Amino acid sequence: AQRVTQPEKLLSVFKGAPVELKCNYSYSGSPELFWYVQYSRQRLQLLLRHISRESIKGFTADLNKGETSFHLKKPFAQEEDSAMYYCALKANAGGTSYGKLTFGQGTILTVHP
Amino acid sequence: DTEVTQTPKHLVMGMTNKKSLKCEQHMGHRAMYWYKQKAKKPPELMFVYSYEKLSINESVPSRFSPECPNSSLLNLHLHALQPEDSALYLCASSRSVYEQYFGPGTRLTVT
Repeated sequence: AQRVTQPEKLLSVFKGAPVELKCNYSYSGSPELFWYVQYSRQRLQLLLRHISRESIKGFTADLNKGETSFHLKKPFAQEEDSAMYYCALKANAGGTSYGKLTFGQGTILTVHP
Repeated sequence: DTEVTQTPKHLVMGMTNKKSLKCEQHMGHRAMYWYKQKAKKPPELMFVYSYEKLSINESVPSRFSPECPNSSLLNLHLHALQPEDSALYLCASSRSVYEQYFGPGTRLTVT
């Protein structure tokens, strides 16, 4: 069975400071990992996926299979980054035409001015 | 059209009522999902439809009844709900096994 752990429920930083949101996973197969973000009163939206190795809104995340981690980082936090962040794992069930996501408990990031 | 839409935005219903939630997407996605989300908690998967067929039912009580009339529409029929069923109900869609796109949700209150 797969599991996603986000150890911090709350994370507060000041504007301009670096931020790292931790995510660890447990899965016996080859996982696909995502970060989703939910801003206040907005829909849940995809921020990053590990496959594409892209940087969105200054955020990056690297999959570390040895440490089974997929931490989200940004060198200089902005006030508009304040939101709920969910790490999610998609198990690859061969032969299916859909993806089953397992979400972590989420981390509320607050960036103070 | 690159969005998942959900109606209504808010719904208040009594425990004896019957109501339905509606979800629509026109992105050609063939997988559609219903999630339940309680405040400050992650979404919990309820149902998955793939090519209009129910593929996953995560042991959801029968008072929730999903329906996929065509590849663009997903309904969730509600009957005899309990107050603890009050939550944000999210619909999502995906192109096969790729990332899921979420709707804004329907905030349901059961009185």
